Amino acid sequence: SQQGEEDPQALSIQEGENATMNCSYKTSINNLQWYRQNSGRGLVHLILIRSNEREKHSGRLRVTLDTSKKSSSLLITASRAADTASYFCATDEETSGSRLTFGEGTQLTVNP
Amino acid sequence: KAGVTQTPRYLIKTRGQQVTLSCSPISGHRSVSWYQQTPGQGLQFLFEYFSETQRNKGNFPGRFSGRQFSNSRSEMNVSTLELGDSALYLCASSGVRGYGYTFGSGTRLTVV
Repeated sequence: SQQGEEDPQALSIQEGENATMNCSYKTSINNLQWYRQNSGRGLVHLILIRSNEREKHSGRLRVTLDTSKKSSSLLITASRAADTASYFCATDEETSGSRLTFGEGTQLTVNP
Repeated sequence: KAGVTQTPRYLIKTRGQQVTLSCSPISGHRSVSWYQQTPGQGLQFLFEYFSETQRNKGNFPGRFSGRQFSNSRSEMNVSTLELGDSALYLCASSGVRGYGYTFGSGTRLTVV
């Protein structure tokens, strides 16, 4: 079953603009991860943030985590056409063992 | 180093048949997980194997099974295929829990 929701379901922006995606979840977590998927292919791990962290950066990516609100956001700065993909958040829950529970995903389209 | 390799990439089967999918994890990774991705249900966890033992299992019927070999390669089997089993099946390997997963490109199964 899906852990929670991602918002928005779809996002269309111009190259150079920033893209923000949000993820909500329901249970206590060990960490939250973001993945990218291009055209129904495999998932690519982007970034992992642990439950005791509030913000993390990796290149043009910035992730925040608010455990009190059970929510996370992914910011992609200075978007490029190559960033066009589906983005998924996934939680590693405290009580579910070694598995990921995925959100529904956000389809990002970056127009040249 | 080589990534996660899934074979075959595409598969077409008839209802009632069975199918075996293969996954070779990153060298040194002992954990292999399987996920099913469909447009309706999204990404759902099937099971995880660690050192040849099933460590975690999702909510799928007994028709879905798997195993892991001593070299960490894993197979999943689906018996008595149904139309609803048509999906992208993704394999992920992990070295240490809490550091993210590396996914393969997936096997797209179509049941006709």
